[in-house]
Amino acid sequence: GAGVSQSPSNKVTEKGKDVELRCDPISGHTALYWYRQSLGQGLEFLIYFQGNSAPDKSGLPSDRFSAERTGGSVSTLTIQRTQQEDSAVYLCASSPGPQQETQYFGPGTRLLVL
Amino acid sequence: KQEVTQIPAALSVPEGENLVLNCSFTDSAIYNLQWFRQDPGKGLTSLLLIQSSQREQTSGRLNASLDKSSGRSTLYIAASQPGDSATYLCAATPSNTGKLIFGQGTTLQVKP
Repeated sequence: GAGVSQSPSNKVTEKGKDVELRCDPISGHTALYWYRQSLGQGLEFLIYFQGNSAPDKSGLPSDRFSAERTGGSVSTLTIQRTQQEDSAVYLCASSPGPQQETQYFGPGTRLLVL
Repeated sequence: KQEVTQIPAALSVPEGENLVLNCSFTDSAIYNLQWFRQDPGKGLTSLLLIQSSQREQTSGRLNASLDKSSGRSTLYIAASQPGDSATYLCAATPSNTGKLIFGQGTTLQVKP
């Protein structure tokens, strides 16, 4: 079946612009995660949605970052007023349920802020 | 705060050799530990997941072990092949959340 998909695959933007990154999880998966992978920091957790529960936003680096998950499926990660240090690969993952399940990752969105 | 460390950062071996990748974590209160593979420019592929109550998991030439008391996990790759060349990441799931805490990865090169 279809895996996790993300769009766009690549995004180049100018400093100060807003960007939206999209994630389509595997159908039926209740848990959705966003991570960021950058050269200096490795892979970092950003935010976690589980069903109808309040999301775990503890990994968001600043208030310029926000995410939504509509209808328990598709998620959008928004970065406002982008900075050069936001340049990274943004990875989305989903799992059938919380915590004890394998997470399945999408191919990522490569963001470059000029 | 959970921290995950992987040693070595890079490893180069000749084809056919058996090898071990190491992962250590600072807090033993975990739900599970997962090993992933990442090819250059690609996303992560899950290899093995070990629940906190388990000691090891096996898939083909891969065997992962978990020792919660010592805060260690190992990934054993038997009879390595050039196609095994990739970055291997381990990640722990803390008991109070679903998020993964990743190590920095071990980049493996298997030479023909």
